[in-house]
Formats: sequence, structure tokens, C-alpha cells
Amino acid sequence: RKEVEQDPGPFNVPEGATVAFNCTYSNSASQSFFWYRQDCRKEPKLLMSVYSSGNEDGRFTAQLNRASQYISLLIRDSKLSDSATYLCVVTVYSSASKIIFGSGTRLSIRP
Amino acid sequence: NAGVTQTPKFQVLKTGQSMTLQCAQDMNHNSMYWYRQDPGMGLRLIYYSASEGTTDKGEVPNGYNVSRLNKREFSLRLESAAPSQTSVYFCASSSVQWGTEAFFGQGTRLTVV
Repeated sequence: RKEVEQDPGPFNVPEGATVAFNCTYSNSASQSFFWYRQDCRKEPKLLMSVYSSGNEDGRFTAQLNRASQYISLLIRDSKLSDSATYLCVVTVYSSASKIIFGSGTRLSIRP
Repeated sequence: NAGVTQTPKFQVLKTGQSMTLQCAQDMNHNSMYWYRQDPGMGLRLIYYSASEGTTDKGEVPNGYNVSRLNKREFSLRLESAAPSQTSVYFCASSSVQWGTEAFFGQGTRLTVV
């Protein structure tokens, strides 16, 4: 079982739609959580951190459920420019801390 | 502020050749990582270094070696390249102890023929 699992998609939705991505992680030692965005053939870049209380950044809302080991990302009023791959990221703190990426969910926004 | 710098950006190797991918960061981060990304796939961790002087295997370490030369630099070596190692390689760094994000280099596109 992968340490971080995401629905690979692709999600193909019309402009203006609301879309939600989910992610589960298996390591209970996980302590920091992020959503990254990756455009085609580019490096991943941070979209937003995810906090237990939930957090919002404009049209983007992230939620964390530690009990269920579940992370979500909600995009409202989607734009054409939101087309990308969204990566769920978990940081595990132990004797050798490491950052684990999910395989990503592809999103395509159509006009 | 350059962030994370990878060299080279592109490389073509013949099967059996060796090469070293270089990565340097100027953010004083403790942790550094090497990932590979195959077409249409997610990032897979090859090796990581939680601090200067330590390295650990990730998900797909076979065929690779790494060196954490100092706090700034973390290199990835392919001793005998194989076509299966054709991929995009990303280096990243982070101050994991403070829960900060990982910063990525622009990637190295490697083709082994």
C-alpha cells in the first residue's frame, strides 16, 4: 500500500464548477500536510499548507482529518488556469524525516 | 536568491554510461531529496538526506547512489545507466523539522538510449 494515495483522475470539469480532491495517508507519524500544484513538465510548487482547523486561500479550501488520516482540497469557481496536476504531500517526522508525495490528481478545466 | 539549482537541465546517455546530477540549495535547509517522475506518473523518492552526513533510501533506490557533500549540495549518481532510468529527476530541499514546504529545482530531463 502506498503511503499517500490519491485518485489519479483525470477530472474534466467546466469552467466555474466546484471540484474536490481527496487524499489518504497511512503513516500516523505524519505531522505536516500540503497541497502542491504541478504544471506540465514543470517542477511542483506549493499551493497551500493544510491545518487541522482547515484553511482557505481565495477559491481554495483545504481540510485535514487526522482521525481518518484524510486530506481534501476544494476548488470553487474553477478557472481555465487551474488545469494542472494536484499533489497531496505528507511530511513524516521520525529518526529520518522525509516528505512523501501522492501520485497526483490531474485536473482539466474546459471552457 | 537562487533557491534550488539543478544541473544539467537535459542529458542524453548511452546505456552503460555513468553521470552525476548535481543539486545545490542556498536556503540553509537540513533536508534534501531526489525524486524521479516518469511520464504521466507521480514523484517517487529515490534517496533523501535528513541532515548533512546522512542519507537514506527511498522508494526506488536501485541503480543510484547519492552523496551529501555538505549542507548545500546533494548529488545523485547513475553508475551504469539503463533505459529504465529515462525520466525527469527533481531535487528538493526543506527544513523538515519546522514543517516548512519543500522547494524544488527545475528538473533534469534524462534520456538513456
